[in-house]
Amino acid sequence: AQSVTQPDIHITVSEGASLELRCNYSYGATPYLFWYVQSPGQGLQLLLKYFSGDTLVQGIKGFEAEFKRSQSSFNLRKPSVHWSDAAEYFCAVGYQKVTFGTGTKLQVIP
Amino acid sequence: DAGVTQSPTHLIKTRGQQVTLRCSPKSGHDTVSWYQQALGQGPQFIFQYYEEEERQRGNFPDRFSGHQFPNYSSELNVNALLLGDSALYLCASSGKISRGGSEKLFFGSGTQLSVL
Repeated sequence: AQSVTQPDIHITVSEGASLELRCNYSYGATPYLFWYVQSPGQGLQLLLKYFSGDTLVQGIKGFEAEFKRSQSSFNLRKPSVHWSDAAEYFCAVGYQKVTFGTGTKLQVIP
Repeated sequence: DAGVTQSPTHLIKTRGQQVTLRCSPKSGHDTVSWYQQALGQGPQFIFQYYEEEERQRGNFPDRFSGHQFPNYSSELNVNALLLGDSALYLCASSGKISRGGSEKLFFGSGTQLSVL
């Protein structure tokens, strides 16, 4: 069965600092991997996705993620965080039937 | 171009009642998936509809049922509501599977269901 683990429930970073959100997955084949962002009371917006090819994936809003098959990881990174990045971030795996992690809530302090 | 629209935005029901939630997919999409997001949790897959049939189902009881109409819109029905059904219900649409589809899900803003 496919699954996703996001070990960090809550992360606080200073504005302008770098960010890395961790994600580990379990999937029986070549994984379809996603990162979504959710603002309070809203639906989810796709930041980026990985299906195949280059293991470093660029997304919207300056985010990137790196797929590491040997570590079953798909960590999300941003070199410089903005206050507007404060939200909840979900890693997900699957094709059509998508399994989400429990999310990491990002707080950005001035 | 309208995205995924869901109605109503908020709903309050009592235990034992039945509820129907509605979803219109993004223009050009024919596949609709429903997710339940409990407070503080990630979305959990309920089921997916394509060509008016349920194609895949998550680990949800038969109290959860759905329907897809010829115009690709969809309904989620929940019978015999329990307190634990209180959650944000998200609808997501994706592209035509017959053309290889789009693996990208577009989400609506959800329906917040409170069961008292």
